[in-house]
Amino acid sequence: GQQLNQSPQSMFIQEGEDVSMNCTSSSIFNTWLWYKQDPGEGPVLLIALYKAGELTSNGRLTAQFGITRKDSFLNISASIPSDVGIYFCAAITSGGYQKVTFGTGTKLQVIP
Amino acid sequence: DADVTQTPRNRITKTGKRIMLECSQTKGHDRMYWYRQDPGLGLRLIYYSFDVKDINKGEISDGYSVSRQAQAKFSLSLESAIPNQTALYFCATSDPPEADTQYFGPGTRLTVL
Repeated sequence: GQQLNQSPQSMFIQEGEDVSMNCTSSSIFNTWLWYKQDPGEGPVLLIALYKAGELTSNGRLTAQFGITRKDSFLNISASIPSDVGIYFCAAITSGGYQKVTFGTGTKLQVIP
Repeated sequence: DADVTQTPRNRITKTGKRIMLECSQTKGHDRMYWYRQDPGLGLRLIYYSFDVKDINKGEISDGYSVSRQAQAKFSLSLESAIPNQTALYFCATSDPPEADTQYFGPGTRLTVL
């Protein structure tokens, strides 16, 4: 089946640092999504990308839909303690049921 | 009030027991989903439903069954729980044309001893 390889699996950073994570696949997708899961909660959608090459921001978060349609990147600038959580990429193919495939997650911990 | 609620939030049970996890939503969405989350494996789809009369298996449906009692309610059952079904279970909803935006419940942590 389709798989999304997300990296890194986990990261510790100092407050104020920038963060980058990415998601790759051998399959082509038409939509890329980035979710954040806070401890004890369900995932919440951060950014949705619909077009190859698209760059979209949501506050300090910026995500890009890769040109090849097989990858996506999420950057967080000037991290703060509340950025702690697990970040998931997800992707959707078109046609019929638009199944959402999730990545394995990047666990982010911010050191104050 | 939360738009997607799950009950119970935590459950410990024994091997062989029948367990039902419930999901309710007030978003008025037609589509509902059940996912399972395991460390290092992300979210995997168990079952999904596009409306009350439509039920579909996901990638890991073996050992699970579902019931869509109403547009707002979608329950997941484990007929005979086994230890490798210990996981965090999430319900989600979505609605065309924004079918890609899934709204998740807070999760149910299930432990099977």
